[in-house]
Order: sequence, then structure tokens, then C-alpha cells
Amino acid sequence: DAKTTQPPSMDCAEGRAANLPCNHSTISGNEYVYWYRQIHSQGPQYIIHGLKNNETNEMASLIITEDRKSSTLILPHATLRDTAVYYCIVRVSVKGQGAQKLVFGQGTRLTINP
Amino acid sequence: DSGVTQTPKHLITATGQRVTLRCSPRSGDLSVYWYQQSLDQGLQFLIQYYNGEERAKGNILERFSAQQFPDLHSELNLSSLELGDSALYFCASSAPRGLAGGPADTQYFGPGTRLTVL
Repeated sequence: DAKTTQPPSMDCAEGRAANLPCNHSTISGNEYVYWYRQIHSQGPQYIIHGLKNNETNEMASLIITEDRKSSTLILPHATLRDTAVYYCIVRVSVKGQGAQKLVFGQGTRLTINP
Repeated sequence: DSGVTQTPKHLITATGQRVTLRCSPRSGDLSVYWYQQSLDQGLQFLIQYYNGEERAKGNILERFSAQQFPDLHSELNLSSLELGDSALYFCASSAPRGLAGGPADTQYFGPGTRLTVL
């Protein structure tokens, strides 16, 4: 089962910053936090990931609390095309196999309003 | 465009039939993952291959099988299809040579195959 908790839905006005929270209180020291989004029924799109430090790329910023128990994805200037389901995922390893499958929860349905 | 390609885009078939879904990973990626997304189950990991060998198994039914070929493309075979197998099937790839298996190994997803079983 997914080890993250996200609000089921959020709204944001176009042009504003969208802040999506995620709780991952049982995260282990070597587990990364990943964010993906899925627009309609397209394939999940990688956004950003982080371990301890805050991260920023051309799409978003990721803020991870010092205790690593929660994080926030920030879309600085949301557009209508950012309407999607956003998934916060803690990367798990399958014991004995070193695999890195992704466990998706229900995510947050973000709606950007004009 | 993630660089992962999947064919076909849509597939409509009848119960009891068998289908094959194809995935071509990003150039140089060694790992291929298959996921199923149905309305009631969300995105579920099925199976992973790494450089031709099965690496991990998730909630994959015995009627389903997969393989990864020497050129690294992968096929997911679904047999004795049931109505409940109707879903989106996504392939993802990761592990470019040199970063294979590392902690920051990122998966990139293809556009998916929509399977409808009638």
C-alpha cells in the first residue's frame, strides 16, 4: 500500500501558485519522495523528486520538511494545462530484488480555474 | 514526450481472447515496468524486467505474462481475457546504463494502451 497521504482534491486560480501537500510520516532515511502527475488518461508524467534538500526544476519546486515526514509540491504559476491528478510517491524497494517499483495512491485532483 | 512508446494505442477484443501489448523503452534504458490502471483499482504495478530478466512481480495474474527481448523492448501478454481486464496498461522505463538501479533512478511512462474487453 502507498505510504503517503494527500488531499483528494484542490482548486487553484490560474496564475497563482499551487501548493500540494503530502504526508509521509513513515518514510525511511534512504527513501526518495517522487511526484508524478496524470493529465486525463495520459501516462503519468514525472515532475520532480528529492531526498532531503529542497529541489527546483523547470516544472516545479519540492519542499521537504526537516524531519522528512511531509513535503509540498509547488507549481509557481499554475495554468489551465496543470489540471491533473498529482501523485506523491515514496520510492519503495522490493526486498531481495533491489527493484524500485512505484506505489501509487489516489493522488490529489488539482483543478486550475480561469 | 517521455521517449517510451507503446503499441497499440487502443485494443478492443472479446472475452476469452489473447492479446499482446508492446513497449519500447527510452533509448539506453535497461528496466521496463508494466502497470495497470483500472477505474476501481487505480495504478497498480504488475511486473519489472531488467536487461532481459524478471526483476520484480506485483499483482500480476497468472493469465498475464511478460518478457523483455535482447533489444530491450518488452511485451505484455494477456490471455483468457475477462471483462475485468479492461483497463489502461502503461509501460515505464528507467535505468540508463551507468545509473542502473541507483536510488534516484527515475521511471518515465509511455502513453499507454487502452484495452477494452467486450
